Amino acid sequence: EVQLLESGGGLVQPGGSLRLSCAASGFTFSSYAMTWVRQAPGKGLEWVSAISTSGGATYYADSVKGRFTISRDKSKNTLYLQMNSLRAEDTAVYYCAKNMGTSTSCLDYWGQGTLVTVSS
Amino acid sequence: DIQMTQSPSSLSASVGDRVTITCRASQGISDYLAWYQQKPGKVPKLLIYAASTLQSGVPSRFSGSGSGTDFTLTISSLQPEDVATYYCQNYNSAPRAFGRGTKVEIK
Repeated sequence: EVQLLESGGGLVQPGGSLRLSCAASGFTFSSYAMTWVRQAPGKGLEWVSAISTSGGATYYADSVKGRFTISRDKSKNTLYLQMNSLRAEDTAVYYCAKNMGTSTSCLDYWGQGTLVTVSS
Repeated sequence: DIQMTQSPSSLSASVGDRVTITCRASQGISDYLAWYQQKPGKVPKLLIYAASTLQSGVPSRFSGSGSGTDFTLTISSLQPEDVATYYCQNYNSAPRAFGRGTKVEIK
């Protein structure tokens, strides 16, 4: 059974940093691209970032480019999202999702999400 | 960047009605289009990928069509458990944008 478990969310001040983790199990982690999607309270889904199977290619939404860094550790079957220079508009539930294949594929499994609140 | 425009933003229909949601891409995306269902308070769930391929376990009353720039999600006979917000997504090129969503309610 595919499982994705996010952690690392919480309350952070504007300008602060946070690192999200997503522990994956139930599939061969290194064979699939992975993605972060966020959802602000009461709003729609926003694609944030994706990473290729090897980690050699990364992709970002314009809204987070230069502030967020996606990475993966195949030895730990874990996906990360390092978030720096956080802003109030980054407040959202952050979902980790498994791509069906490469980074140009849809998202077939989603984690339960972790809430990030940026506020003073 | 490719923009995804969904319509309507919300709809209300009766049980058993046929429901259609449309999604338009600002540029051609071939069939790199997925539909997701998000029930209130729940995690999004993949319904359809490659514009028209039903994900395993999804009821056959859901169907998708289209290619290029214009796509459609159809629920052939709306059921109470279909109350949700539906999102389309282009996964062809970055940013892999989602549409703004269509909220489906029972009349």
